[in-house]
Amino acid sequence: GEDVEQSLFLSVREGDSSVINCTYTDSSSTYLYWYKQEPGAGLQLLTYIFSNMDMKQDQRLTVLLNKKDKHLSLRIADTQTGDSAIYFCGSGGGADGLTFGKGTHLIIQP
Amino acid sequence: AAGVIQSPRHLIKEKRETATLKCYPIPRHDTVYWYQQGPGQDPQFLISFYEKMQSDKGSIPDRFSAQQFSDYHSELNMSSLELGDSALYFCASRGGTSRDNEQFFGPGTRLTVL
Repeated sequence: GEDVEQSLFLSVREGDSSVINCTYTDSSSTYLYWYKQEPGAGLQLLTYIFSNMDMKQDQRLTVLLNKKDKHLSLRIADTQTGDSAIYFCGSGGGADGLTFGKGTHLIIQP
Repeated sequence: AAGVIQSPRHLIKEKRETATLKCYPIPRHDTVYWYQQGPGQDPQFLISFYEKMQSDKGSIPDRFSAQQFSDYHSELNMSSLELGDSALYFCASRGGTSRDNEQFFGPGTRLTVL
Protein backbone atom coordinates (compact mmCIF):
# COMPACT_ATOMS: atom_id res chain seq x y z
CA GLY A 1 0.00 0.00 0.00
CA GLU A 2 0.86 3.66 0.02
CA ASP A 3 3.72 4.70 2.26
CA VAL A 4 4.64 8.21 3.39
CA GLU A 5 7.91 8.85 5.23
CA GLN A 6 9.01 11.83 7.31
CA SER A 7 11.82 12.47 9.73
CA LEU A 8 10.51 12.52 13.29
CA PHE A 9 12.16 15.66 14.68
CA LEU A 10 13.47 19.00 13.43
CA SER A 11 15.01 21.64 15.68
CA VAL A 12 15.51 25.20 14.44
CA ARG A 13 16.30 28.57 15.96
CA GLU A 14 13.58 31.18 16.16
CA GLY A 15 13.77 33.42 13.09
CA ASP A 16 15.47 30.80 10.91
CA SER A 17 13.76 28.86 8.13
CA SER A 18 12.43 25.36 8.79
CA VAL A 19 12.40 22.75 6.05
CA ILE A 20 10.34 19.64 6.66
CA ASN A 21 10.76 16.82 4.17
CA CYS A 22 8.51 13.97 3.09
CA THR A 23 8.75 11.12 0.61
CA TYR A 24 5.83 9.13 -0.73
CA THR A 25 5.40 6.01 -2.82
CA ASP A 26 2.06 6.37 -4.60
CA SER A 27 2.75 8.10 -7.91
CA SER A 28 -0.99 8.26 -8.59
CA SER A 29 -1.61 10.65 -5.68
CA THR A 30 -3.45 13.61 -7.06
CA TYR A 31 -2.72 15.97 -4.22
CA LEU A 32 -0.16 16.27 -1.46
CA TYR A 33 -0.99 18.00 1.78
CA TRP A 34 0.64 19.53 4.82
CA TYR A 35 -1.27 19.55 8.11
CA LYS A 36 -0.24 21.03 11.46
CA GLN A 37 -1.25 19.50 14.78
CA GLU A 38 -0.70 21.24 18.09
CA PRO A 39 -0.82 19.23 21.35
CA GLY A 40 -4.29 17.88 22.07
CA ALA A 41 -5.76 19.57 19.01
CA GLY A 42 -7.09 18.55 15.63
CA LEU A 43 -5.33 18.72 12.28
CA GLN A 44 -5.15 22.14 10.68
CA LEU A 45 -4.74 22.18 6.91
CA LEU A 46 -1.79 24.43 6.07
CA THR A 47 -1.55 23.99 2.34
CA TYR A 48 -1.73 21.45 -0.45
CA ILE A 49 -0.25 21.10 -3.90
CA PHE A 50 -1.57 19.50 -7.05
CA SER A 51 0.69 16.74 -8.30
CA ASN A 52 1.49 18.48 -11.59
CA MET A 53 2.85 21.57 -9.85
CA ASP A 54 6.45 22.05 -8.66
CA MET A 55 5.97 24.83 -6.19
CA LYS A 56 3.34 26.68 -4.25
CA GLN A 57 3.88 29.69 -2.03
CA ASP A 58 1.50 31.00 0.59
CA GLN A 59 2.83 33.79 2.83
CA ARG A 60 5.57 32.20 4.99
CA LEU A 61 4.97 28.72 3.56
CA THR A 62 6.62 27.33 0.45
CA VAL A 63 5.87 23.82 -0.80
CA LEU A 64 8.24 22.18 -3.25
CA LEU A 65 7.34 18.99 -5.10
CA ASN A 66 9.80 16.80 -6.97
CA LYS A 67 7.48 14.34 -8.65
CA LYS A 68 10.31 12.33 -10.20
CA ASP A 69 11.85 11.62 -6.78
CA LYS A 70 8.43 11.60 -5.02
CA HIS A 71 9.75 14.17 -2.57
CA LEU A 72 7.74 16.93 -0.95
CA SER A 73 9.02 19.67 1.30
CA LEU A 74 7.50 22.42 3.41
CA ARG A 75 9.58 25.51 4.10
CA ILE A 76 8.47 27.85 6.88
CA ALA A 77 10.22 31.20 6.68
CA ASP A 78 11.03 33.21 9.83
CA THR A 79 10.03 30.38 12.17
CA GLN A 80 8.21 31.55 15.29
CA THR A 81 7.46 29.87 18.62
CA GLY A 82 3.85 29.49 17.50
CA ASP A 83 5.04 27.20 14.71
CA SER A 84 6.01 24.58 17.28
CA ALA A 85 3.81 21.56 16.45
CA ILE A 86 3.74 18.22 14.65
CA TYR A 87 3.60 18.55 10.87
CA PHE A 88 2.00 15.74 8.88
CA CYS A 89 2.54 15.14 5.20
CA GLY A 90 -0.45 13.47 3.53
CA SER A 91 -1.14 12.06 0.09
CA GLY A 92 -4.40 11.25 -1.64
CA GLY A 93 -7.22 13.31 -3.02
CA GLY A 94 -10.82 13.33 -4.08
CA ALA A 95 -13.05 11.00 -2.14
CA ASP A 96 -10.09 8.85 -1.10
CA GLY A 97 -8.82 8.93 2.43
CA LEU A 98 -5.42 10.47 3.01
CA THR A 99 -2.33 8.50 3.92
CA PHE A 100 -0.19 10.37 6.42
CA GLY A 101 3.44 10.16 7.42
CA LYS A 102 4.37 9.66 11.08
CA GLY A 103 4.68 13.42 11.54
CA THR A 104 7.65 15.70 12.14
CA HIS A 105 7.94 17.38 15.54
CA LEU A 106 9.17 20.93 14.93
CA ILE A 107 11.08 22.25 17.94
CA ILE A 108 11.88 25.95 18.13
CA GLN A 109 14.96 27.07 20.04
CA PRO A 110 14.95 30.64 21.39
CA ALA B 1 -16.59 30.32 9.22
CA ALA B 2 -18.39 27.13 10.20
CA GLY B 3 -16.15 24.17 10.92
CA VAL B 4 -16.61 20.44 11.26
CA ILE B 5 -18.42 19.57 14.48
CA GLN B 6 -17.86 16.34 16.33
CA SER B 7 -19.68 15.00 19.35
CA PRO B 8 -19.04 14.04 21.96
CA ARG B 9 -15.59 15.54 22.46
CA HIS B 10 -14.69 13.00 25.11
CA LEU B 11 -16.10 9.55 25.73
CA ILE B 12 -15.23 6.92 28.30
CA LYS B 13 -16.43 3.36 27.79
CA GLU B 14 -15.67 -0.05 29.20
CA LYS B 15 -14.45 -3.07 27.27
CA ARG B 16 -17.13 -4.81 25.20
CA GLU B 17 -19.40 -1.76 25.29
CA THR B 18 -20.58 0.13 22.22
CA ALA B 19 -20.00 3.75 21.24
CA THR B 20 -21.44 6.10 18.63
CA LEU B 21 -19.50 9.11 17.41
CA LYS B 22 -21.17 11.86 15.42
CA CYS B 23 -19.82 14.20 12.79
CA TYR B 24 -21.48 17.26 11.29
CA PRO B 25 -19.63 18.42 8.16
CA ILE B 26 -19.14 21.99 7.06
CA PRO B 27 -22.39 23.21 5.41
CA ARG B 28 -22.64 22.20 1.73
CA HIS B 29 -19.85 19.64 2.11
CA ASP B 30 -21.00 16.25 0.84
CA THR B 31 -17.97 14.05 1.58
CA VAL B 32 -17.10 12.85 5.06
CA TYR B 33 -14.02 10.93 6.19
CA TRP B 34 -13.24 9.15 9.45
CA TYR B 35 -9.72 8.77 10.85
CA GLN B 36 -8.32 7.12 13.97
CA GLN B 37 -5.21 8.52 15.68
CA GLY B 38 -3.65 6.40 18.41
CA PRO B 39 -1.34 7.96 21.01
CA GLY B 40 1.79 9.28 19.32
CA GLN B 41 0.64 7.92 15.95
CA ASP B 42 -0.33 9.40 12.63
CA PRO B 43 -4.02 9.48 11.70
CA GLN B 44 -5.17 6.28 9.99
CA PHE B 45 -7.96 6.49 7.45
CA LEU B 46 -11.00 4.37 8.33
CA ILE B 47 -13.79 5.06 5.85
CA SER B 48 -15.35 7.80 3.74
CA PHE B 49 -18.76 8.65 2.33
CA TYR B 50 -19.81 10.72 -0.65
CA GLU B 51 -23.45 11.64 -1.13
CA LYS B 52 -24.48 9.11 1.51
CA MET B 53 -22.70 6.21 -0.20
CA GLN B 54 -19.48 4.62 1.02
CA SER B 55 -16.73 5.81 -1.31
CA ASP B 56 -13.44 4.53 0.13
CA LYS B 57 -12.52 2.05 2.84
CA GLY B 58 -9.34 1.97 4.85
CA SER B 59 -8.34 0.09 7.96
CA ILE B 60 -11.76 0.04 9.61
CA PRO B 61 -12.26 -3.04 11.84
CA ASP B 62 -15.30 -5.24 11.20
CA ARG B 63 -16.58 -4.26 14.66
CA PHE B 64 -17.01 -0.70 13.40
CA SER B 65 -19.62 0.57 10.98
CA ALA B 66 -20.51 3.99 9.71
CA GLN B 67 -23.08 5.74 7.62
CA GLN B 68 -23.91 9.13 6.21
CA PHE B 69 -27.43 10.47 6.57
CA SER B 70 -29.64 12.57 4.31
CA ASP B 71 -28.50 15.77 6.06
CA TYR B 72 -24.87 14.68 5.37
CA HIS B 73 -23.97 14.13 8.99
CA SER B 74 -22.21 10.86 9.70
CA GLU B 75 -22.05 8.44 12.59
CA LEU B 76 -19.33 5.95 13.44
CA ASN B 77 -20.65 2.99 15.42
CA MET B 78 -18.15 0.96 17.39
CA SER B 79 -19.09 -2.32 19.06
CA SER B 80 -17.31 -4.80 21.33
CA LEU B 81 -14.86 -2.09 22.29
CA GLU B 82 -11.29 -3.13 23.05
CA LEU B 83 -8.57 -1.34 25.01
CA GLY B 84 -6.73 -0.74 21.73
CA ASP B 85 -9.66 1.31 20.41
CA SER B 86 -8.65 4.13 22.76
CA ALA B 87 -7.69 6.93 20.40
CA LEU B 88 -8.63 10.27 18.93
CA TYR B 89 -11.24 9.87 16.22
CA PHE B 90 -11.30 12.62 13.64
CA CYS B 91 -13.93 13.40 11.10
CA ALA B 92 -13.06 15.49 8.05
CA SER B 93 -15.27 16.94 5.35
CA ARG B 94 -14.75 18.10 1.78
CA GLY B 95 -16.79 20.27 -0.55
CA GLY B 96 -18.69 19.00 -3.53
CA THR B 97 -17.02 20.63 -6.50
CA SER B 98 -14.07 19.33 -8.48
CA ARG B 99 -12.01 22.27 -7.23
CA ASP B 100 -12.63 21.37 -3.60
CA ASN B 101 -9.58 19.35 -2.67
CA GLU B 102 -9.13 20.27 0.95
CA GLN B 103 -10.17 17.95 3.73
CA PHE B 104 -11.06 20.01 6.78
CA PHE B 105 -10.74 18.19 10.07
CA GLY B 106 -12.93 18.46 13.14
CA PRO B 107 -11.55 18.77 16.67
CA GLY B 108 -11.82 15.04 17.27
CA THR B 109 -13.51 12.76 19.80
CA ARG B 110 -11.19 11.30 22.41
CA LEU B 111 -12.36 7.79 23.19
CA THR B 112 -10.99 6.05 26.27
CA VAL B 113 -11.76 2.37 26.75
CA LEU B 114 -11.22 1.08 30.29
